[in-house]
Amino acid sequence: DAGITQSPRYKITETGRQVTLMCHQTWSHSYMFWYRQDLGHGLRLIYYSAAADITDKGEVPDGYVVSRSKTENFPLTLESATRSQTSVYFCASSPDRGGRGYTFGSGTRLTVV
Amino acid sequence: QKEVEQNSGPLSVPEGAIASLNCTYSDRGSQSFFWYRQYSGKSPELIMSIYSNGDKEDGRFTAQLNKASQYVSLLIRDSQPSDSATYLCAVRGSSNTGKLIFGQGTTLQVKP
Repeated sequence: DAGITQSPRYKITETGRQVTLMCHQTWSHSYMFWYRQDLGHGLRLIYYSAAADITDKGEVPDGYVVSRSKTENFPLTLESATRSQTSVYFCASSPDRGGRGYTFGSGTRLTVV
Repeated sequence: QKEVEQNSGPLSVPEGAIASLNCTYSDRGSQSFFWYRQYSGKSPELIMSIYSNGDKEDGRFTAQLNKASQYVSLLIRDSQPSDSATYLCAVRGSSNTGKLIFGQGTTLQVKP
């Protein structure tokens, strides 16, 4: 399917476990982003990538790891999940430096128990 | 001071009225401005972009930008119950890294 897809849509995991959220886009967009959305905080940038093998930290990177070996994929890994990482995670992509805005995936609702 | 500020609302307007949503930003060098609509449980959807001072109209939506006042607004004419959603203001700052900074969003309720 064309577009940007995230998986899984819902995930429940236990504290201390490693979990990976997947993001795949079919447009060959250079830029990809991971945000988390929490009540009272809005959308906060976790990590972003300007191209394959180029990633950089955003506003709230602690506890997260990203990689981008292929342009179309940008997985987000929680190395040791904590309850404070319970959130809705959105992946987004852009063909350029955000000049035309982003397109968001449908999100992953993660619950850490 | 937050980089992008919006009144969280809720903003309640009757059906058919004009809804006015406001946003201020702190980075004076910002060049690109966006409005996203987010329905409950869904992802943000880009509805308007604006890059220069003045008004930009698209159907029932008008975006207004005043860079001197560091102010962006979104007007929704003839508001419909289907417009009930959270509206997010996003700004691309002067750093040119591609990052958008989002406001916390304003919840709009359109009452029939």
